[in-house]
Amino acid sequence: AQKITQTQPGMFVQEKEAVTLDCTYDTSDQSYGLFWYKQPSSGEMIFLIYQGSYDEQNATEGRYSLNFQKARKSANLVISASQLGDSAMYFCAMRCKNYGGSQGNLIFGKGTKLSVKP
Amino acid sequence: GAVVSQHPSWVICKSGTSVKIECRSLDFQATTMFWYRQFPKQSLMLMATSNEGSKATYEQGVEKDKFLINHASLTLSTLTVTSAHPEDSSFYICSATLQGQGVQETQYFGPGTRLLVL
Repeated sequence: AQKITQTQPGMFVQEKEAVTLDCTYDTSDQSYGLFWYKQPSSGEMIFLIYQGSYDEQNATEGRYSLNFQKARKSANLVISASQLGDSAMYFCAMRCKNYGGSQGNLIFGKGTKLSVKP
Repeated sequence: GAVVSQHPSWVICKSGTSVKIECRSLDFQATTMFWYRQFPKQSLMLMATSNEGSKATYEQGVEKDKFLINHASLTLSTLTVTSAHPEDSSFYICSATLQGQGVQETQYFGPGTRLLVL
């Protein structure tokens, strides 16, 4: 069964330091996409970064990078040089070709609340 | 690009009334839109997938007659919560993809609608 696991309910990081948010996934599909979203207290879901299952290189987007280890089925998000504005909930999500009654839906983890300390 | 709007952002209504929430893709055509529900401090739960010009596909456990979804155009999907009750109070958030349901397609989220039923 398809599943996303985020084992860190909350994380603290000092401003300007790097932080890694863990995400493991489970799927029997060969083709899938992995996503990270940020949800600040306002509620909107902000897309951060995407990694395809066939991508050989780790995805990077500015201060965000995805440490993709396919054999271990992990897709950790690394945020470098943390800023106070990075404080938010972070969700890891997966999209498989076939899931449940609707194809291509996003499966979300439970999220990690990141707090950046000044 | 890829901006999704939702209206209204806040709704407070009396029990028994119906509430309509609009989701619009502002700068792209969205053949597929998704509706999610999020309870406090929890992850997003997919309610239904909405395809333009066809009936929505509901996830297991979601009442079709309770949550009416209409996707009449490529830029607009609506969710109507019929005869709302206090247990329907939640954060409703929609998303849209640019080109359908491929695993690599990023879902862009609206800002969400907070519904409070008294």
